[in-house]
Amino acid sequence: EPEVTQTPSHQVTQMGQEVILRCVPISNHLYFYWYRQILGQKVEFLVSFYNNEISEKSEIFDDQFSVERPDGSNFTLKIRSTKLEDSAMYFCASSRQGSQETQYFGPGTRLLVL
Amino acid sequence: QKEVEQNSGPLSVPEGAIASLNCTYSDRGSQSFFWYRQYSGKSPELIMFIYSNGDKEDGRFTAQLNKASQYVSLLIRDSQPSDSATYLCASRRGAQKLVFGQGTRLTINP
Repeated sequence: EPEVTQTPSHQVTQMGQEVILRCVPISNHLYFYWYRQILGQKVEFLVSFYNNEISEKSEIFDDQFSVERPDGSNFTLKIRSTKLEDSAMYFCASSRQGSQETQYFGPGTRLLVL
Repeated sequence: QKEVEQNSGPLSVPEGAIASLNCTYSDRGSQSFFWYRQYSGKSPELIMFIYSNGDKEDGRFTAQLNKASQYVSLLIRDSQPSDSATYLCASRRGAQKLVFGQGTRLTINP
């Protein structure tokens, strides 16, 4: 069964450094998402991406964040200058279409900012 | 603020009993509702989705939706220790983002 994959599984970085989190969505899916979950808190939406552009973003997704689909398979989340509060699990998700289609989540990248 | 509310628990249920998980939502424009299971340190795993008022059954799981009351529930029959996890309720309006509740931690006692 096809799965969303994410790399790396864990990343430790120093405050102020740039990080890139990578995702490979399910191959026939068209909608891509990033969510994050701070330890002990709810899963929060960051951004959705369709047809090579952002379709929706949350207040969390400020100028420090960017997303890109650099080729036909990868979907990346970049954090330009990490802060301590960016420490969280970051989940990539994809769906075949937008509405009436479920979103399937990858295993996540645990980001720790020191 | 469009929110999804869940009792954080923990909810403790004996093995073999029915576990009942509840969720309310504030956005009347929400059209679809999802139950995900999340084991500690893992990603959300889809259990069921429901769009229409009433019940939807899938194996040991039944989702119930009441749009007038803005209420969604998940019943787990014949609960097993492997069902012990956090259950996340999520709503979605159209093709937009999932809005998650805090999750209910469920423990099945052998």
